[in-house]
Amino acid sequence: EAGVVQSPRYKIIEKKQPVAFWCNPISGHNTLYWYLQNLGQGPELLIRYENEEAVDDSQLPKDRFSAERLKGVDSTLKIQPAELGDSAVYLCASSLGPYNEQFFGPGTRLTVL
Amino acid sequence: QKEVEQDPGPLSVPEGAIVSLNCTYSNSAFQYFMWYRQYSRKGPELLMYTYSSGNKEDGRFTAQVDKSSKYISLFIRDSQPSDSATYLCAMSRGGATNKLIFGTGTLLAVQP
Repeated sequence: EAGVVQSPRYKIIEKKQPVAFWCNPISGHNTLYWYLQNLGQGPELLIRYENEEAVDDSQLPKDRFSAERLKGVDSTLKIQPAELGDSAVYLCASSLGPYNEQFFGPGTRLTVL
Repeated sequence: QKEVEQDPGPLSVPEGAIVSLNCTYSNSAFQYFMWYRQYSRKGPELLMYTYSSGNKEDGRFTAQVDKSSKYISLFIRDSQPSDSATYLCAMSRGGATNKLIFGTGTLLAVQP
């Protein structure tokens, strides 16, 4: 069974540029999560989707971050414009439902110069 | 004060040693307790899952939860170099959101 797929794995951009991350969850998983992991820290939830609906986006900085999950499968997380402090690893995870084990992808490592 | 506190290490032990990893928390509403293992440049993977207080054993791994002290532990017996990774504790209240709150992670190095 294929795991959670994320792309790109690495991204280097200059500040004020836009950037987008893509996530393909495990087939059949209805719940999808985006996490932010700073260096030396644990993951912090940015947004959770149940199918197409964002049910918890309280930690998403909505002035520059946006996310979508079209057709309840793949998801995209966008930052526009990026700031130096956005340098981090962005993890996507999925689960069958909100009470099931979360499976994480390898993450996208973003560096903002 | 963070809801979940975890010593970041690094922790270096010789192969075969018993490893003890710990987290403390402040929110008494947490009911579900997990340990994740994260290898370098990889995403976290679930290692152990415990509901409420008590012990759970899986092979060389034992998870303990003491809700009265708000303290959880992960023990690794007969540690192997392949156990070298960052270990993250995580916990949740359950319920409608089931939001996971992670510790900072402890970096473990098992020396051959």
